[in-house]
Amino acid sequence: QKEVEQNSGPLSVPEGAIASLNCTYSDRGSQSFFWYRQYSGKSPELIMFIYSNGDKEDGRFTAQLNKASQYVSLLIRDSQPSDSATYLCAVNLSGGYQKVTFGIGTKLQVIP
Amino acid sequence: SQTIHQWPATLVQPVGSPLSLECTVEGTSNPNLYWYRQAAGRGLQLLFYSVGIGQISSEVPQNLSASRPQDRQFILSSKKLLLSDSGFYLCAWSPGDGETQYFGPGTRLLVL
Repeated sequence: QKEVEQNSGPLSVPEGAIASLNCTYSDRGSQSFFWYRQYSGKSPELIMFIYSNGDKEDGRFTAQLNKASQYVSLLIRDSQPSDSATYLCAVNLSGGYQKVTFGIGTKLQVIP
Repeated sequence: SQTIHQWPATLVQPVGSPLSLECTVEGTSNPNLYWYRQAAGRGLQLLFYSVGIGQISSEVPQNLSASRPQDRQFILSSKKLLLSDSGFYLCAWSPGDGETQYFGPGTRLLVL
């Protein structure tokens, strides 16, 4: 079992819709969770992080964490074509001193 | 504010040649530094990380090495490149007491 799993996609959504990106992780003791966006040919950029169960909102982005079910998700409201990118989930697995493990990423395509 | 630089941006090297990639961080002190490789269609693979000058931890056995000669400088090297070393090399930093990582622009390496 991979430590951090994501569906590679592509996930296609129409412009204006909500995009839902999911990530599961194997280590129940994990404490820190991150979402990065990576445009084609570019480096990843941090979107948001979440540490506590529940929702965390930042503009059009909402991160959701459920530690009991070991999943973290990212919702993008009012999706725009400029949101088309690969979204990487990263988890600080317990015992990994200041290191994170990245998922393979989900490619999102927002269709105009 | 903090800035991370990587150079060169692109590199084409023959098999068996040496390699030196450089990463520098500005605007912070005592950062944790990381080297990742992202092969085409694959996730981010952590190669090395460093929590201080001269302190290097290797994550995977390979023909690469890393050094940290100064607090905000991280160098990735190889004596003889292999075809399998081709990829997108990313340097990242995090605060000394934090987990959130911020990436540099990356170096795209093609070994022929």
